[in-house]
This record gives sequence, C-alpha cells and structure tokens, in this order.
Amino acid sequence: GAGVSQSPRYKVAKRGQDVALRCDPISGHVSLFWYQQALGQGPEFLTYFQNEAQLDKSGLPSDRFFAERPEGSVSTLKIQRTQQEDSAVYLCASSYITGVYGYTFGSGTRLTVV
Amino acid sequence: AQTVTQSQPEMSVQEAETVTLSCTYDTSESDYYLFWYKQPPSRQMILVIRQEAYKQQNATENRFSVNFQKAAKSFSLKISDSQLGDAAMYFCAYRSGQATTGANSKLTFGKGITLSVRP
Repeated sequence: GAGVSQSPRYKVAKRGQDVALRCDPISGHVSLFWYQQALGQGPEFLTYFQNEAQLDKSGLPSDRFFAERPEGSVSTLKIQRTQQEDSAVYLCASSYITGVYGYTFGSGTRLTVV
Repeated sequence: AQTVTQSQPEMSVQEAETVTLSCTYDTSESDYYLFWYKQPPSRQMILVIRQEAYKQQNATENRFSVNFQKAAKSFSLKISDSQLGDAAMYFCAYRSGQATTGANSKLTFGKGITLSVRP
C-alpha cells in the first residue's frame, strides 16, 4: 500500500478484555516497530521485527503484551487482560532495512481501557 | 542509553514569523542520526527533517532548517515563514548510527512540544 495502515483507529475496551491491534506496513519494508504513546508524551519503543523475526521485545511492559508478524508483512499487537494503564496510542512504523532515512508511521490506534 | 530532552512543552508563533524549537540529547556514540517529526491531530508522525551526525552542514528542507551543535549535543529546529498548517506537536528523535538493522535502529523520542500558530 501507499502508507502504513493501522486498525482499528479507536478501540474502547473494558478492563480485563483482550484486544488485538493490526498494522499493515508498506509493501517491501523489512523493519517494523511498535511504539506506545501515552497522552502528552513521546512514543516509546515496544518491539521490533525484521521480516517475521521478532528481534527485540525489550520494550514490552509486561507479559500481557504479545506481538507477531507471521508472514513478514502484517503485524498484530495483542494485549491480554487490559488494564487502565494500557490506555495510549499505539503506533506502528516501518522502513526498508536500515531506516537511516527515517520511518513511515501509521496513524495509530487509540486504546481506551474503561 | 540515549536520552532526548525537549524542555519547552509549548510554543506559539505569529503566522509568517520564525520560531525555533529546542532539543538536546545525550549519547556516548559519535555516529548517529537525528530527526524532527511533526504529529498533527491525525496522529500520524510525519518526517520533517533529518541530520547525520558526521555531517557538519546543517540540514535544510524548504522552510525548515536545523542548528546542529554536535559538541553541545543540541539539535534545534527553525521554522521560517510559519503557516497555520505548521500547528502540531513536534518531536525530536535519535537513532544510533551503529546499527544497520535490528532494534538498535529504533528511534528514541523526546516528550514533544506543542506549536500553535496565531493568524
């Protein structure tokens, strides 16, 4: 596609509910990142994929967070048993392998846990 | 670990005037990349300008230019002839130059600054 597509754009979840957030990167982009952006803050790194391999998940805040990219294209970020502190915008970014020219971001999913 | 600091939470500028947004960073690396991203209410991060640390020349993109002071670890963004469409949050970001791939190629962001443009 022409850009990075994320869905849903908004998600309201009841505390304890499981959610799945989707990212469809630009075709051919090898690198894929997930970031979490709390209200009024800068994005913070969650996890990184190179093709289908999850090479770094050091930013995932707890074992309730899980990400996958099984075929090296679309990625899903899953949050189990959501908590209020999970409320944030989740941004996906992709690039060709090096990313030295910057990354293309999606518009994010705003998750609100009530 | 690298850190990026944006100490001004908000700035305001009159349309057609010039504004400078400040950013400092801390790193022990000599090779790295710096970026300014714009985030409008649509939430999509848009790349404004990038700077390679090994280049002494300051980057320029149309109305946007940077003042890169490597020794001072400072990377400010100057917006000339401000337009109403420039109103947004602006984030300064750091990328290690030591990684050609992998999670070391992730971006580290500052907290951002909200820029408003007065008509």
